[in-house]
Amino acid sequence: DAGVIQSPRHEVTEMGQEVTLRCKPISGHNSLFWYRQTMMRGLELLIYFNNNVPIDDSGMPEDRFSAKMPNASFSTLKIQPSEPRDSAVYFCASSSDLGAKNIQYFGAGTRLSVL
Amino acid sequence: AQSVTQLGSHVSVSEGALVLLRCNYSSSVPPYLFWYVQYPNQGLQLLLKYTTGATLVKGINGFEAEFKKSETSFHLTKPSAHMSDAAEYFCAVTSYSSNTGKLIFGQGTTLQVKP
Repeated sequence: DAGVIQSPRHEVTEMGQEVTLRCKPISGHNSLFWYRQTMMRGLELLIYFNNNVPIDDSGMPEDRFSAKMPNASFSTLKIQPSEPRDSAVYFCASSSDLGAKNIQYFGAGTRLSVL
Repeated sequence: AQSVTQLGSHVSVSEGALVLLRCNYSSSVPPYLFWYVQYPNQGLQLLLKYTTGATLVKGINGFEAEFKKSETSFHLTKPSAHMSDAAEYFCAVTSYSSNTGKLIFGQGTTLQVKP
């Protein structure tokens, strides 16, 4: 089975540019999570969706960040405009449902560098 | 509110030695606890989880963890380290009452295995 697929794996951009990160969850999973990993703050949950609907976006740092899930097999995280402090590894994870017992499966991540 | 503290950001052991990675949690409700492993340039993958029942939980690759409510701990152990165990390990908590599966992660512990 294909796991969670994220693209691109690496992104280098200049401050002020728009960045779009993409995620394809595991087929049949209906919950999707976006995380950010930095040395300073560790792993932070940014937003999660259930059945394509955003449930909690309280972790989104500011209005420059937005996420969408137009269908069950695709989600995007967009940063506009990007800033150097957005440099991090962004992970997408999916699970078969919401609920504490459901395991989250992670993608390999997108390493973003904003110059 | 829930939180996780991983004691020691770096742990170094010799190949064949006991691995002990410490995790303490804080939760006002009965917790569900997880250990994830992250190999270089990869996403997180589940090692093991505790939800209810037996407090000693066995996971993949010979790892196990014991839930100790009185000590609010969920330490990860492996009797004999292998070079391939070198990775970053994350402890995470959620609650049985959570209908979201929102995970709170610790800061991570990097395990180094020396030949």
